Amino acid sequence: AQSVTQLDSQVPVFEEAPVELRCNYSSSVSVYLFWYVQYPNQGLQLLLKYLSGSTLVKGINGFEAEFNKSQTSFHLRKPSVHISDTAEYFCAVSERAAVNKLTFGGGTRVLVKP
Amino acid sequence: NAGVTQTPKFQVLKTGQSMTLQCAQDMNHNSMYWYRQDPGMGLRLIYYSASEGTTDKGEVPNGYNVSRLNKREFSLRLESAAPSQTSVYFCASTTLSYEQYFGPGTRLTVT
Repeated sequence: AQSVTQLDSQVPVFEEAPVELRCNYSSSVSVYLFWYVQYPNQGLQLLLKYLSGSTLVKGINGFEAEFNKSQTSFHLRKPSVHISDTAEYFCAVSERAAVNKLTFGGGTRVLVKP
Repeated sequence: NAGVTQTPKFQVLKTGQSMTLQCAQDMNHNSMYWYRQDPGMGLRLIYYSASEGTTDKGEVPNGYNVSRLNKREFSLRLESAAPSQTSVYFCASTTLSYEQYFGPGTRLTVT
């Protein structure tokens, strides 16, 4: 079975600074990878996904992530954050043969300071 | 187009009481899911339904039952609530390209 580790539980960052959220996964088979965002008191919303092809994936709101198979990582980046990016971010993985079983990391809470 | 809707938004139960959480989606998705969210643990899959008429266990199914009533609706039942089931519950459905759409959640407290 797969597992996901988000290495930082909280990341404080100043407005207009870059941010990187780290995600590592473990799986013995090929996977699909996802990043979701959760704003306060809301459900989750997809930011981006990696299914196949280019390892650099661009998503909504200026976010991007890079799939690194050798390091089993899928780190999320944004070059310049806004106050509105304050939220909790979740990395998730599913095995390609079991796409209905999505495993989430514990989440990284991003607090953007003015 | 309402997306994924859940009722109720909040619920307080006493230990041993039962309740059903309702979920509906209007996006014509085949697959639907129930998750629970606990602090520091992300979301954990309780049950899912890959299509109308089928349901399967996820990571944490104990103490829950589900019903896929039709293509739109997928309910989650707690037969005898326990304090360990205090959580936020999310329903989701998925597109053919594996993007999951989530409802707004139900915050459940069991005392």
